[in-house]
Amino acid sequence: AQKVTQAQTEISVVEKEDVTLDCVYETRDTTYYLFWYKQPPSGELVFLIRRNSFDEQNEISGRYSWNFQKSTSSFNFTITASQVVDSAVYFCALSEAGWGSQGNLIFGKGTKLSVKP
Amino acid sequence: DAGVIQSPRHEVTEMGQEVTLRCKPISGHDYLFWYRQTMMRGLELLIYFNNNVPIDDSGMPEDRFSAKMPNASFSTLKIQPSEPRDSAVYFCASRPGGHQPQHFGDGTRLSIL
Repeated sequence: AQKVTQAQTEISVVEKEDVTLDCVYETRDTTYYLFWYKQPPSGELVFLIRRNSFDEQNEISGRYSWNFQKSTSSFNFTITASQVVDSAVYFCALSEAGWGSQGNLIFGKGTKLSVKP
Repeated sequence: DAGVIQSPRHEVTEMGQEVTLRCKPISGHDYLFWYRQTMMRGLELLIYFNNNVPIDDSGMPEDRFSAKMPNASFSTLKIQPSEPRDSAVYFCASRPGGHQPQHFGDGTRLSIL
């Protein structure tokens, strides 16, 4: 069965601190995709990154970085030098791509990040 | 390019009324998804379409919910009759093929009194 677990319900940090959001997934497929979305207080869902199961290279985009480890079924997200504008709910999601898979997104419950000035 | 467009942004109505939510996907996207977001249950997939055909509606909570996609640029999600427990934010999303990212509309915040 496919499942995404974001164990951290809420995290609070002070501006300029680094913070890591954890994501653990379960799937039987060998081919799959992992995603992160951001939902700021205004409510929209913003796509951040997609990673396929064959690419374990870490990704860096400005202050954002992602660490994908198949050995631990994890796809963690780190924000370096956090800013107040990073305050949002962050969702990790999984899409299976094996034979017969529908390609739906399975979302975790989300982690609410609050960055205090 | 315009993103996914949903209307209305907010809807407040009384229990028992019919509610229709609308969505215009991004042009060229083959897939369209309807989600519901609540505090208790998080983001739930209700139904999705591929090339205007419903593929999986197993997430539709009950017969009061129905969705249509009459053409590639328009979809509706209808609730009839509405109940207070249907209060939630409803999102529409679309994507092209190839497991590309889904792009979400701004959502419709629905309140059933």
